[in-house]
This record gives sequence, C-alpha cells and structure tokens, in this order.
Amino acid sequence: EVQLLESGGGLVQPGGSLRLSCAASEFIFSRYIMTWVRQAPGKGLEWVSSISGSGLSRYYVDSVKGRFTISRDNSKNTLFLQMNSLRADDTALYYCAKLGSRPSAGWFDSWGQGTLVTVSS
Amino acid sequence: EIVMTQSPATLSVYPGERATLSCRASQSISSSLAWYQQKPGQAPRLLIYGASTRATGIPARFSGSGSGTEFTLTISSLQSEDFAIYYCQQYNNWPPLIFGGGTKVEIK
Repeated sequence: EVQLLESGGGLVQPGGSLRLSCAASEFIFSRYIMTWVRQAPGKGLEWVSSISGSGLSRYYVDSVKGRFTISRDNSKNTLFLQMNSLRADDTALYYCAKLGSRPSAGWFDSWGQGTLVTVSS
Repeated sequence: EIVMTQSPATLSVYPGERATLSCRASQSISSSLAWYQQKPGQAPRLLIYGASTRATGIPARFSGSGSGTEFTLTISSLQSEDFAIYYCQQYNNWPPLIFGGGTKVEIK
C-alpha cells in the first residue's frame, strides 16, 4: 500500500519560510507526478503545485508562483515544498498526493495525512 | 480558467435513501473528472475517475456519470459511513487542477 508521510509544518510569522517534506514508500516514486494540495481551515481543496517524475517540469497555482518551489529527491523518495514570503492566506493543511497510474491520469489516487501550516504573528 | 461548481452545498438524506450530487464545469472537460470523499479529520479518498470508473475498493453503490460539462455522483443507498463531504475535480488540459467547492452529505 502506498505510504505518504508529510512533515515540516508549524507556526510561522508572515513573511517567513517553511520547508515541507513528504516521504513516499511502497511505489516506484520516480515514475509518478507528485503534488501538493492544501485545505484552509473549514474550506475546500486547492491544488498548489505539481512536479513531474524526473523533476524537470513544475507547475504552480498563480497565488504561490514566485514564492513556493516544489522539488523532489528520487534517490530518497521524498517530495519537498519550499515556502517563502508566507502570508496569512497560506494557512492550511498541506497534503502530499500522488497522481494515478495511467499515462493520462490527473486524479489523485493516494494522499498523505497532511501537515498543518499556520501563518500568524 | 475552468470553474467547477458543485450543488447543492448541503444534501440532507435519510440512511438507505439515494443521494445525487452534481458537478458542473464552466467549459467542456470531456470525461476528465474525479470524485473524492472526505470525512472529518481525514484525507480525501478517491472514489471515481474518468467520470464513471470506480477506484479500487470503492463499493458499487457509488456511481459516476456525465461528460462535457455536467456530471453526477450517485450513492444508491446511503450507509452511515457515507456521510461526508464530496469533491469533484477536473483534470482536462491541466494545469491547473481544479476542485469544486464540495457537497456535504448529512443525515436527515
């Protein structure tokens, strides 16, 4: 069974930085597009960023472009999200998610339990 | 950018009844639609992809239909464990990947 374990969340002041990690196991990590999805308290789901299996292609929602950087270390089966210039509206539970196995897959077939990021002074 | 609209926001249903949830895309997304279930304190769980294909382990009482701009998730006979929030998500020509606002299915 696929395992995704996020870490790195916490309380940070506006303008600060955090680096989230997602440790993956029980699948061939390098073959899959990986994604960060967030959920603000009491709100719905929002796609944040995705990265191709090779790491060469990266995609971001407009609201985080220039502030967040997604990356991966395929030798360590780990996904990262470097978050800079954090704002109050970045406060959310951040999920690591794996896209489905088919070539055209754009759906998420596995999710971690999330790591909470709180941006507040 | 595609907008995904779910209705109703809240659906009150008796256990054992049928629930019908709707998801509308602002432009055609072919059959590139997934449905997720989320219970309080839990991560979302994939139910349906390709608009109508059940994910591994999902009970047959869950079914998806539609294409283009109009989609439906039907739960044929609600069980106690089905009361949750349901999200649709489009993946046609992404990025971005877009979720609907969700439908909460509650006990009547």
